[in-house]
Amino acid sequence: AQSVAQPEDQVNVAEGNPLTVKCTYSVSGNPYLFWYVQYPNRGLQFLLKYITGDNLVKGSYGFEAEFNKSQTSFHLKKPSALVSDSALYFCAVRDINAGNNRKLIWGLGTSLAVNP
Amino acid sequence: EAQVTQNPRYLITVTGKKLTVTCSQNMNHEYMSWYRQDPGLGLRQIYYSMNVEVTDKGDVPEGYKVSRKEKRNFPLILESPSPNQTSLYFCASGIPGTAYGYTFGSGTRLTVV
Repeated sequence: AQSVAQPEDQVNVAEGNPLTVKCTYSVSGNPYLFWYVQYPNRGLQFLLKYITGDNLVKGSYGFEAEFNKSQTSFHLKKPSALVSDSALYFCAVRDINAGNNRKLIWGLGTSLAVNP
Repeated sequence: EAQVTQNPRYLITVTGKKLTVTCSQNMNHEYMSWYRQDPGLGLRQIYYSMNVEVTDKGDVPEGYKVSRKEKRNFPLILESPSPNQTSLYFCASGIPGTAYGYTFGSGTRLTVV
């Protein structure tokens, strides 16, 4: 069965420090992987995606993610965290069994708190 | 500005009283979808639509209906809401087959008492 796991419910980091939000996946075939961010009282916003190519993907707001096929991981990273990065982060993988339905399989989210 | 607009943002209603949550997008996207978000369960797809007059069930369609009479609008209808439909609902749109990310609406927090 396809699945996405975000092993940490919450991540705390000091402003200016690097941050990592972890994601592992289980899919057959080549995965399409996504990161979204949800700010309080807002909808989810697309950050970045991996489809193919370079394992290091750069996205919005200075975020990047590293695809590691051997470890089936797609961790989200940022070199220097900002207080404004505090939000809920979701990892997702495209459901390849969904046919034309562009359904994503979502992780449960990781709450990132950046402390001043 | 490219966006997905949902209304209302907040709604409290009583069991059995029919309601509609509207969703409209201005990007001419063919694909639209509804999700509900619940603590510990994450995002689950309710219905999706590939284009006008083409809709299909997602993972949790029971108790919901949708329609797609125009490309821009994709309303979610609860004919007889029940307390277990208390949730945060999101509408999303995207272009199929291009691996693009979704554009989400800001959400509708529904409480059924």
